[in-house]
Amino acid sequence: GAVVSQHPSWVICKSGTSVKIECRSLDFQATTMFWYRQFPKQSLMLMATSNEGSKATYEQGVEKDKFLINHASLTLSTLTVTSAHPEDSSFYICSISGRASYEQYFGPGTRLTVT
Amino acid sequence: QKEVEQDPGPLSVPEGAIVSLNCTYSNSAFQYFMWYRQYSRKGPELLMYTYSSGNKEDGRFTAQVDKSSKYISLFIRDSQPSDSATYLCAMSRNSGNTPLVFGKGTRLSVIA
Repeated sequence: GAVVSQHPSWVICKSGTSVKIECRSLDFQATTMFWYRQFPKQSLMLMATSNEGSKATYEQGVEKDKFLINHASLTLSTLTVTSAHPEDSSFYICSISGRASYEQYFGPGTRLTVT
Repeated sequence: QKEVEQDPGPLSVPEGAIVSLNCTYSNSAFQYFMWYRQYSRKGPELLMYTYSSGNKEDGRFTAQVDKSSKYISLFIRDSQPSDSATYLCAMSRNSGNTPLVFGKGTRLSVIA
C-alpha cells in the first residue's frame, strides 16, 4: 500500500495561535487527500476533501476559514488550524486514495493539544 | 439513525479465541466495505476490503458482507495479543476518490 507521513506527530500550542499540519504521500501521487478528525473513543469524522490545484471541499459544520487546507502538490497537503482553541484539541489524520481507488491509506496522525 | 453502526465494546477475549466483529449500515448504496485496524495513537491500517456481498479470507482474517441484511463482519481466528487494537469498519458508495464512512470502532483486547 501507499505510505503516508504526517508532521508533526504531536503538538501543543496556546489558545489563539495557529498550527500547521503536513500530510505527505511518499510513494504515490495523490490527486485527492482527505482530512479526518478523531476525538477520544470516537470514530474518524471527515473534515474535508483536498484536491490538488483546487479548493478543498468541506463537510457540513467544518469552518473553512478556521481549518485552512492547501493541496500544493500531488504529494503534499497541509491543514492549518487557525486561532486554535481547546475544543480543537483532537487527533487529526490524513489519508490518500491508493491505486485501487476505494482503498484509503492513512497517515500516522497528529495529536493537537490546545492549552 | 447513523449511517454505520458498530458496537464500541470493549471486547475482551482469551488468546486463541475466534473473534467476531460486526457493523450494520443503513445506506443500500454502499458497495465497498473495508476493515481497518488502529493501534492507540496511530493512524488506521487497512486490513481487508470487499466489494459487494461475499466472503474474503486473508490468513487469520475473514471478511463477510451481506448486503441484503446490510451487515458486515470480520472474523479473527487464533487471536493473538498483538491483535489488541480498535477495529473500524468503513464503507463507500463508489470506487472513485470518495471519502469513507466509518463505524465508531470496536476496541478489542486479547488476553495472553
